[in-house]
Amino acid sequence: NAGVMQNPRHLVRRRGQEARLRCSPMKGHSHVYWYRQLPEEGLKFMVYLQKENIIDESGMPKERFSAEFPKEGPSILRIQQVVRGDSAAYFCASSPLSGGRIDTQYFGPGTRLTVL
Amino acid sequence: KQEVTQIPAALSVPEGENLVLNCSFTDSAIYNLQWFRQDPGKGLTSLLLIQSSQREQTSGRLNASLDKSSGRSTLYIAASQPGDSATYLCAVITGNQFYFGTGTSLTVIP
Repeated sequence: NAGVMQNPRHLVRRRGQEARLRCSPMKGHSHVYWYRQLPEEGLKFMVYLQKENIIDESGMPKERFSAEFPKEGPSILRIQQVVRGDSAAYFCASSPLSGGRIDTQYFGPGTRLTVL
Repeated sequence: KQEVTQIPAALSVPEGENLVLNCSFTDSAIYNLQWFRQDPGKGLTSLLLIQSSQREQTSGRLNASLDKSSGRSTLYIAASQPGDSATYLCAVITGNQFYFGTGTSLTVIP
């Protein structure tokens, strides 16, 4: 059973471009979480999704950021018109549990986004 | 809002020493607490998970304790090895969310 997969592992974008980060949860997991780790800071929750639904996006910046988890395929975190402050490591985690309770999340290796 | 603090931010010890990493949180209404290891440029590895009803968990040379009333957890590493060098993150679950500390960067000197 493969773990949580994220791609790309490293992504370089110029200011103003779009960044798309992908996360494939573990097999059988239908809950996905995205976190951002800024330099010298702890991981911060961004968004919690189930298949085709955004459950909690309280940690998402109000503009330029969006996330989806379609019925088929990976979850996508999309950042439009990137700025240098978006440079960070973005981690995805998946969980098999429902009902909003989190017992265990399995983390992917992260995508390191660098904005030039 | 839950805030998680880890002290110290960095720690350097000679191989073989026992050491303690500290984690404190402001809201005692947690569901559970989890310790992770993060290696440079890599993801998170779960080390120990303590349910809110438990007081400690052990795995090999690692022992984690939890005192909800005081908002504290410790991670004890016995007989440290150079391979233990990494950043250790404490995370609490309150409501639906993980709240992470900023981590303790551990270096074990051979």
